[in-house]
Amino acid sequence: GQQLNQSPQSMFIQEGEDVSMNCTSSSIFNTWLWYKQDPGEGPVLLIALYKAGELTSNGRLTAQFGITRKDSFLNISASIPSDVGIYFCAGQWTYKYIFGTGTRLKVLA
Amino acid sequence: DAGITQSPRYKITETGRQVTLMCHQTWSHSYMFWYRQDLGHGLRLIYYSAAADITDKGEVPDGYVVSRSKTENFPLTLESATRSQTSVYFCAVGSDGEAFFGQGTRLTVV
Repeated sequence: GQQLNQSPQSMFIQEGEDVSMNCTSSSIFNTWLWYKQDPGEGPVLLIALYKAGELTSNGRLTAQFGITRKDSFLNISASIPSDVGIYFCAGQWTYKYIFGTGTRLKVLA
Repeated sequence: DAGITQSPRYKITETGRQVTLMCHQTWSHSYMFWYRQDLGHGLRLIYYSAAADITDKGEVPDGYVVSRSKTENFPLTLESATRSQTSVYFCAVGSDGEAFFGQGTRLTVV
């Protein structure tokens, strides 16, 4: 099925470090979404982006809607142990949501 | 306000049995979705519904049936469960571009 290219697939970082991940697509989207999924739970919406070029923050998280509407970036500043989990991007147009393959984040204390 | 409630959270069933997974939203959002999540495949759309009595197939609909007689409920039925349907199932609700997920149902078919 169709999926977005999300990178990196996984990363180990030290507590306090900043983290960056991104998603790219060959299709344009109306909305970009970023989710976090903890083990045994459903994805939780972190940030929603609605316009090309938009930069939105949610606490230590900052995400951007790419100018071409084909990509998006998520940054986590000053990571803490509870940031561990899988982060998914999703692109939306009409009723369709296309998901990235996920970035597995592990934070070393 | 629970938002989206899925039940059961865990289910073990035998091959060939019919099983229904429930999804309930406390909002009145139009769009509801069923996804399955498997290692190596990510989230795959099974069925979606744009409103009560309007449903359509997603990427992997075979072996599944849905209905939506009321806006707030969107049950997913496996008519005759197979081992390949062992998965984690997520219901989601869409509104204004955003999608919100339930906690999931982990289904094992033995």
